[in-house]
Amino acid sequence: EAQVTQNPRYLITVTGKKLTVTCSQNMNHEYMSWYRQDPGLGLRQIYYSMNVEVTDKGDVPEGYKVSRKEKRNFPLILESPSPNQTSLYFCASNVDRYGTEAFFGQGTRLTVV
Amino acid sequence: SQKIEQNSEALNIQEGKTATLTCNYTNYSPAYLQWYRQDPGRGPVFLLLIRENEKEKRKERLKVTFDTTLKQSLFHITASQPADSATYLCALDLWGGKLIFGQGTELSVKP
Repeated sequence: EAQVTQNPRYLITVTGKKLTVTCSQNMNHEYMSWYRQDPGLGLRQIYYSMNVEVTDKGDVPEGYKVSRKEKRNFPLILESPSPNQTSLYFCASNVDRYGTEAFFGQGTRLTVV
Repeated sequence: SQKIEQNSEALNIQEGKTATLTCNYTNYSPAYLQWYRQDPGRGPVFLLLIRENEKEKRKERLKVTFDTTLKQSLFHITASQPADSATYLCALDLWGGKLIFGQGTELSVKP
């Protein structure tokens, strides 16, 4: 089954403790991206990757890092999480960029206390 | 400044009626515009895509229009059903790689 898989689904952590949210797609898609979703603000793009080893900042990249060493994986790293990073996070992939649909993962609800 | 705005209030309609959702944007020049459906606690699901040089696109009970002069897209669901109740997101597909989402419009279809 074609899918985008994120882990974990739920995470509660403390301020400053480094964490990684994993994202994997099995569709051989070139383009992958991370979003956060907050009430009243909608989905905001954090980082995106056009292909392996090619990443770029979205609209809200501060406090996040990503890497794209393999085509299928695109982990999101929070080196020193803060409470304002409490949010619902989604990973998505597209076959390529421009005019293709985004396939979203099931989401990761992160709480930083 | 750059903005993308959808109907700010929730939309409540009666079953069988046509729902019309609006997406307006300023200071963007999208190559494409996309519409997604999102159910509570789930990831968005793609519905339709329309190119900048297309005026209208249809898929079953769904219709999207795209006016690049007005910088507006309208999303219509005809013969609406309670199962259509969800949040609908528009997204601007920009040259350069970004996909920018609106905040969404919550649609409720009453039997």
